[in-house]
Amino acid sequence: KAGVTQTPRYLIKTRGQQVTLSCSPISGHRSVSWYQQTPGQGLQFLFEYFSETQRNKGNFPGRFSGRQFSNSRSEMNVSTLELGDSALYLCASSLIGTDEGLFFGSGTQLSVL
Amino acid sequence: GQQLNQSPQSMFIQEGEDVSMNCTSSSIFNTWLWYKQDPGEGPVLLIALYKAGELTSNGRLTAQFGITRKDSFLNISASIPSDVGIYFCAGMPGGSYIPTFGRGTSLIVHP
Repeated sequence: KAGVTQTPRYLIKTRGQQVTLSCSPISGHRSVSWYQQTPGQGLQFLFEYFSETQRNKGNFPGRFSGRQFSNSRSEMNVSTLELGDSALYLCASSLIGTDEGLFFGSGTQLSVL
Repeated sequence: GQQLNQSPQSMFIQEGEDVSMNCTSSSIFNTWLWYKQDPGEGPVLLIALYKAGELTSNGRLTAQFGITRKDSFLNISASIPSDVGIYFCAGMPGGSYIPTFGRGTSLIVHP
């Protein structure tokens, strides 16, 4: 079955702009998590959605938000972009009720100029 | 947020050598996961461990869930050039499906 799909693959924005990233989970997976990956900080958890509800949230400012649709697809939004937001944003899906781990997409590489 | 202590940070080895890396935590985990990330891609799950003391293999990879439940080890035998990448450990405490990730071990294999 198809894996986790993230779009776009690359994105260049300028400071102050906002951005929306999209994620389609593996068919049948109802949980979607978002991570920010930077060379200095590694993989940092942003938030997790299940059944259109945010169930868990990491330690990021309110400029980072997300949502999940009824078909489990998810979007994350970053408003008022800062230079430090440049990172690889990874989406991962999983089955709930199992601890088989997360299945990641290829990510969206965001560069803020 | 909380992160695991993963070591070594990087490794430079010759093709054919064996590799060992580990993760330690001050917290107890019920599940340990090992991922590999190729450049420009997302992490891919290699091995999942669910029981203290468990030893699990996936081809040339072998991982162990530490007896104390606070550590895990990954070994790669007879390394090949395609083993190049960043290896991450991740732990999940009981009742949570949100893994905490280590900072990764960067592996470079010289032909």
